[in-house]
Amino acid sequence: EAQVTQNPRYLITVTGKKLTVTCSQNMNHEYMSWYRQDPGLGLRQIYYSMNVEVTDKGDVPEGYKVSRKEKRNFPLILESPSPNQTSLYFCASRAGARSEQYFGPGTRLTVT
Amino acid sequence: GQQVMQIPQYQHVQEGEDFTTYCNSSTTLSNIQWYKQRPGGHPVFLIQLVKSGEVKKQKRLTFQFGEAKKNSSLHITATQTTDVGTYFCAGPSGSARQLTFGSGTQLTVLP
Repeated sequence: EAQVTQNPRYLITVTGKKLTVTCSQNMNHEYMSWYRQDPGLGLRQIYYSMNVEVTDKGDVPEGYKVSRKEKRNFPLILESPSPNQTSLYFCASRAGARSEQYFGPGTRLTVT
Repeated sequence: GQQVMQIPQYQHVQEGEDFTTYCNSSTTLSNIQWYKQRPGGHPVFLIQLVKSGEVKKQKRLTFQFGEAKKNSSLHITATQTTDVGTYFCAGPSGSARQLTFGSGTQLTVLP
């Protein structure tokens, strides 16, 4: 089954404790992205990747890091989480720039 | 950078009434996509429009792309409770490498 998976689905952590949210897709897609969703603000892109070892900042990259060492995986790293990073995070992938985007199930992160 | 604005932010309708959400871009778009997110779920792709003035239908849903390719709309005829959710438009930006989403319209259908 074609899918995007994310782990963990829920995470409660404390300020400053490094964390990683994993994302994996099994569709051999070139493009992968991370979004955060906050009430009234829609989906805002954090980082995106066009291929292995090719990543770029989205609209809200501050406080986040990503890597794309393999085509299927695109982890999101929060080196020192802060409460303003409490949000719902979605990983997504698509075959090309004009293709439909597939979203993972989401990770709800709470930073206290 | 490019902005994609969507109105209204919220819409409550009685079951059977029609619903429309509008999407406006600050720049001309090569294409526009629409997604639906059910409560507690993730966004799911509905459709892509590419041509100026294009109109596409999916059962009770009608999607339009403006002549200037800067605006789009989604119209639902005779809403049903299954239509509940948030509808997002999305357009390419950053040399089409990015996909910028509107803020979404949250639809509530009252039985």
